[in-house]
Amino acid sequence: DGGITQSPKYLFRKEGQNVTLSCEQNLNHDAMYWYRQDPGQGLRLIYYSQIVNDFQKGDIAEGYSVSREKKESFPLTVTSAQKNPTAFYLCASSPRQGGTLMNTEAFFGQGTRLTVV
Amino acid sequence: KQEVTQIPAALSVPEGENLVLNCSFTDSAIYNLQWFRQDPGKGLTSLLLIQSSQREQTSGRLNASLDKSSGRSTLYIAASQPGDSATYLCAVMGTGGFKTIFGAGTRLFVKA
Repeated sequence: DGGITQSPKYLFRKEGQNVTLSCEQNLNHDAMYWYRQDPGQGLRLIYYSQIVNDFQKGDIAEGYSVSREKKESFPLTVTSAQKNPTAFYLCASSPRQGGTLMNTEAFFGQGTRLTVV
Repeated sequence: KQEVTQIPAALSVPEGENLVLNCSFTDSAIYNLQWFRQDPGKGLTSLLLIQSSQREQTSGRLNASLDKSSGRSTLYIAASQPGDSATYLCAVMGTGGFKTIFGAGTRLFVKA
């Protein structure tokens, strides 16, 4: 079945460590996104990628890094520079129609809950 | 700067009741608006997508409306069921392509 797979479901990070969250999709979508969700707040965009080997910063990119070497994969690294990384992280993808606009549904993974210990 | 607000933050209703969830946005220059459902600890599931040129969309017991000029959208749920209990999020895609702004959601609890 087509979909988006995030792993792991739960992740624990020690202070000062870098950790990488995985996101894989087999929907043949061009665009992929990473969001952070904190309790009582809406989703906030960390990074997005419209095409392979290209990605752009979202609203809260500081302390995070991404890569897009393959169409199917968009891993997110939470670096030690991110001072408050405990949150629920969601990956999404969508088809890219024509130019720069995405005028269709976005599909989300099941999320990774990251906790700093 | 686009801001999306959802009211109420939480809602508890008895089974069978019809209900309305509200979403308001500050910038009417949008391309589309989407309603999502999120179960606890899970990802988001798209419920309805309304293009900027549309006034409403329907799927089963769900009906979403859009009034761009007033910056409002409503999600109407008919004959609510305990299985409808979840958080409902509204998201607006504005100018700039991939800028989608989410509301904080309305947590719905339907009592059996």
